[in-house]
Amino acid sequence: EPEVTQTPSHQVTQMGQEVILRCVPISNHLYFYWYRQILGQKVEFLVSFYNNEISEKSEIFDDQFSVERPDGSNFTLKIRSTKLEDSAMYFCASSDRAGGSPLHFGNGTRLTVT
Amino acid sequence: AQSVTQLGSHVSVSEGALVLLRCNYSSSVPPYLFWYVQYPNQGLQLLLKYTTGATLVKGINGFEAEFKKSETSFHLTKPSAHMSDAAEYFCAVSARHSGGGADGLTFGKGTHLIIQP
Repeated sequence: EPEVTQTPSHQVTQMGQEVILRCVPISNHLYFYWYRQILGQKVEFLVSFYNNEISEKSEIFDDQFSVERPDGSNFTLKIRSTKLEDSAMYFCASSDRAGGSPLHFGNGTRLTVT
Repeated sequence: AQSVTQLGSHVSVSEGALVLLRCNYSSSVPPYLFWYVQYPNQGLQLLLKYTTGATLVKGINGFEAEFKKSETSFHLTKPSAHMSDAAEYFCAVSARHSGGGADGLTFGKGTHLIIQP
């Protein structure tokens, strides 16, 4: 069964550094998402992406965050200047259509900001 | 705006007993409803979903959930718990609206299911 893959599985960075989290969605999917889960807390929506532009974003997704689909396969989340509170598990997801189609999640990237 | 409430951050049941995980939602229109499961160090896996039609939906691993509009609930059940069911369970909703674009999911805080031998 096709999977969403995320790399790296664990990223450690220093405060103020830029990080790029990478995702390869399922190949025929058109809708892409990033979520994060701070340790012990719920999964929070960050951003959704369709047709090469952001569809929806949450309050968490401020100017420090950006997303990009640089080619036909990758979907990246960039955090420009990391803060301690950005430490979390980041999940990428994709779906083949909107309107109730289930999201397929990757196994996540654990970001640790020191 | 929509929201999801999962009652009980931890639920403990004996192996073989009924599993009941509660989920209530708040939405201006009937939403799409989902249950996801998260095993340790893994991503979220879809258990089941309700979009339209029959209100009792069956999912993987013997789980099912019933959409009750009058109660704004979508509780997850399984008749007989197995040790392998121990995991974190998340209820989620997404908006039902027309037009294109990607619909984000709103998740509940999750319920940690513990299975006692």
